[in-house]
Amino acid sequence: GQQVMQIPQYQHVQEGEDFTTYCNSSTTLSNIQWYKQRPGGHPVFLIQLVKSGEVKKQKRLTFQFGEAKKNSSLHITATQTTDVGTYFCAGSHRLGQNFVFGPGTRLSVLP
Amino acid sequence: DGGITQSPKYLFRKEGQNVTLSCEQNLNHDAMYWYRQDPGQGLRLIYYSQIVNDFQKGDIAEGYSVSREKKESFPLTVTSAQKNPTAFYLCASSSLVAALSTDTQYFGPGTRLTVL
Repeated sequence: GQQVMQIPQYQHVQEGEDFTTYCNSSTTLSNIQWYKQRPGGHPVFLIQLVKSGEVKKQKRLTFQFGEAKKNSSLHITATQTTDVGTYFCAGSHRLGQNFVFGPGTRLSVLP
Repeated sequence: DGGITQSPKYLFRKEGQNVTLSCEQNLNHDAMYWYRQDPGQGLRLIYYSQIVNDFQKGDIAEGYSVSREKKESFPLTVTSAQKNPTAFYLCASSSLVAALSTDTQYFGPGTRLTVL
């Protein structure tokens, strides 16, 4: 079936270091969303990417959608302890289909 | 105060019992979803509904049932046929029908179900 994969599964960084998580799909995506789930919490929507090669920024977060629309990345510059949590990508492979979530990348930030 | 509510936050049941998890939203969203999350894993879709009195199976519907009698409510029943019911259950809603696959999903706080 259609799968969405994410790497790494876990990432431990020192506060102030950068962090990147990668999302890959076995097939072309129509659009992709990113969510953040704090420990003990629920997923919260961050952003949606639709266009091939699209890049969007939210303060220290940069989101990219690959040219082939099969991969995406989330980059955090100068991590802070408030960035701790699990970051999920969710891809939709075509209109009429629901989103498929990746397994997530759990980020730990050491002060 | 708008949002999605799920209750209870923690739920314990004996093996072999059916249990119903509630999900209510006052966001006037058309679409509602149920996901299951296991430790260290992503979200897997159980059921979804785009309109009242209609719902569709997701990827892991076996052992679960839902109803959508009101726009605001989408309860999930975990039946005794579900072999591994212990998990974190998340309800979500979105304003556009799921077919457009473009709309943000808003998640409830979740219910952590433990079957003993």
